[in-house]
Amino acid sequence: NAGVTQTPKFRILKIGQSMTLQCTQDMNHNYMYWYRQDPGMGLKLIYYSVGAGITDKGEVPNGYNVSRSTTEDFPLRLELAAPSQTSVYFCASSYWTGGNQPQHFGDGTRLSIL
Amino acid sequence: GNSVTQMEGPVTLSEEAFLTINCTYTATGYPSLFWYVQYPGEGLQLLLKATKADDKGSNKGFEATYRKETTSFHLEKGSVQVSDSAVYFCALSDFARETSGSRLTFGEGTQLTVNP
Repeated sequence: NAGVTQTPKFRILKIGQSMTLQCTQDMNHNYMYWYRQDPGMGLKLIYYSVGAGITDKGEVPNGYNVSRSTTEDFPLRLELAAPSQTSVYFCASSYWTGGNQPQHFGDGTRLSIL
Repeated sequence: GNSVTQMEGPVTLSEEAFLTINCTYTATGYPSLFWYVQYPGEGLQLLLKATKADDKGSNKGFEATYRKETTSFHLEKGSVQVSDSAVYFCALSDFARETSGSRLTFGEGTQLTVNP
């Protein structure tokens, strides 16, 4: 009963370092999403994917990259970490049924850039 | 574009009090509406949803009615418990195309604290 699994849960990076946030889901969902959550704010969409091999930008894609080589995995890459990327990152997945199905979220990765 | 506005928090209540968290939205077309709940240290969980006007979503004693005439989806519970302490997010899903999935627009979230 795993659902959406994110690793790591916490990470501290130095400015300019790079890292990959991992996300995997075992529900055979074709749609996957990455959000960031800043204090006192709602979630902002970074990137999304409608299936293996297909990705597209969301609201706030600058400074991030994604790939989707399998249905299960949707990693998020930060190439040159900046303090503005300090945030909590959530991965989510869903079925396609015309927009009325909920998204299922992982527990998040708390990332600090110092 | 789409937007969701929630009442400002934080909200502090005593156990068994009545809860209302206001949510209004701006959207084109006929979005689906959701309430998500986030417990400390966890991801968001779906609390309830409504997919068309006048629908009422309900779960765990919480209710919300999709009001198209007032573009609102207020969350209510008749008697809150300490275990309801969490952050509550209102969200809408715009008209989804198969090429974009069900993209959610979130409100800012409302922190609820229930004291014994």
